[in-house]
Amino acid sequence: QKEVEQDPGPLSVPEGAIVSLNCTYSNSAFQYFMWYRQYSRKGPELLMYTYSSGNKEDGRFTAQVDKSSKYISLFIRDSQPSDSATYLCAMSEDSSYKLIFGSGTRLLVRP
Amino acid sequence: GAVVSQHPSWVICKSGTSVKIECRSLDFQATTMFWYRQFPKQSLMLMATSNEGSKATYEQGVEKDKFLINHASLTLSTLTVTSAHPEDSSFYICSARGGRSQETQYFGPGTRLLVL
Repeated sequence: QKEVEQDPGPLSVPEGAIVSLNCTYSNSAFQYFMWYRQYSRKGPELLMYTYSSGNKEDGRFTAQVDKSSKYISLFIRDSQPSDSATYLCAMSEDSSYKLIFGSGTRLLVRP
Repeated sequence: GAVVSQHPSWVICKSGTSVKIECRSLDFQATTMFWYRQFPKQSLMLMATSNEGSKATYEQGVEKDKFLINHASLTLSTLTVTSAHPEDSSFYICSARGGRSQETQYFGPGTRLLVL
């Protein structure tokens, strides 16, 4: 079993839809949770960063962490074609800050 | 803020040659830099962690003599792929930890290596 599980997709939605992306994990020591967006042939770009449980909102993006269920989510409101990319969840423990990545979900927003 | 650059962005080389990739944090001092490789349609695999002025820590299965890492300053780390072979062809990405948020990593744009 992988430490971090993420559905690879692809997930295809119409423009304007609300997108929900999720990851589950097995290591209860994870404290820091991140979402990265990666366009084809580019490096990942940090979208959201959350410490421990709770919600965080930034513009059209909302990140949720439920440590009791070992489940994290990223919501994208009013999705745009420019949001089409691969979304990677990543998490780390306190001590090492070594990031463990999910496999990434490929999102396609249709005009 | 928190910009990381990589050079070159892509390189093609012959089998047996060595290739050096540079990673720079442009607007912050990076206490730690990380090197990843990514195969097509796969996630990032951590290769090694480097701290300024000390030896890099390699992940299991990564040959330290094959992938030489030097972290000479707080803004520069280099990865040298020695005696490259076609199976080393991949997308190499560095990241840097530092700046305002010590817990997050900021990634470079990546270097695409093709070994013929």
